[in-house]
Amino acid sequence: DVKVTQSSRYLVKRTGEKVFLECVQDMDHENMFWYRQDPGLGLRLIYFSYDVKMKEKGDIPEGYSVSREKKERFSLILESASTNQTSMYLCASSLSRTGKGDEKLFFGSGTQLSVL
Amino acid sequence: AQTVTQSQPEMSVQEAETVTLSCTYDTSESDYYLFWYKQPPSRQMILVIRQEAYKQQNATENRFSVNFQKAAKSFSLKISDSQLGDAAMYFCAYRSYWGGAQKLVFGQGTRLTINP
Repeated sequence: DVKVTQSSRYLVKRTGEKVFLECVQDMDHENMFWYRQDPGLGLRLIYFSYDVKMKEKGDIPEGYSVSREKKERFSLILESASTNQTSMYLCASSLSRTGKGDEKLFFGSGTQLSVL
Repeated sequence: AQTVTQSQPEMSVQEAETVTLSCTYDTSESDYYLFWYKQPPSRQMILVIRQEAYKQQNATENRFSVNFQKAAKSFSLKISDSQLGDAAMYFCAYRSYWGGAQKLVFGQGTRLTINP
């Protein structure tokens, strides 16, 4: 089965630090997504990528950037972490940029980030 | 832009009983996909059931079934014979027909508690 691995399950950082969240998938998927999950707000898309070096803004990109240098790896970067970025971050991937909407998304287990 | 609304932040049900989780959505598209995802305490997102809007027949997966009302833009999830393992956050989600690199749009989530 497809595996989406997020490098850390829990992370504690200080305000102003640069933070890297890493996500790796092992099934040659074209699409990768970063979501943020907050109570009462559900999951909101931060950025996604449909190819190496390609990226598209999602609904809440402010304060974040991404990097996709290799197909299997999609990194989320918090340039200067702030307390309002304390949240759960979920990575996901899917096979094809031209696939139909019922194509399955595979999720990582999430990184709970606390910014103090 | 598409939106998904889950109006029940929390629900509870007795073990072996039936419970229905509500979801409404808004879209101008004529064909699309709808999903219910389950997120247990492990945080791993699990696809429960999906429905293509073009198909009038309601999807079923074992104890899980949906009531899809396209005109009303309603997509509720019914869980029959509830089990302790059904306790989780449940998210309703929408995706355009030609999903490809397009995002899943999530609702706010409903936390389901099963009482033994």
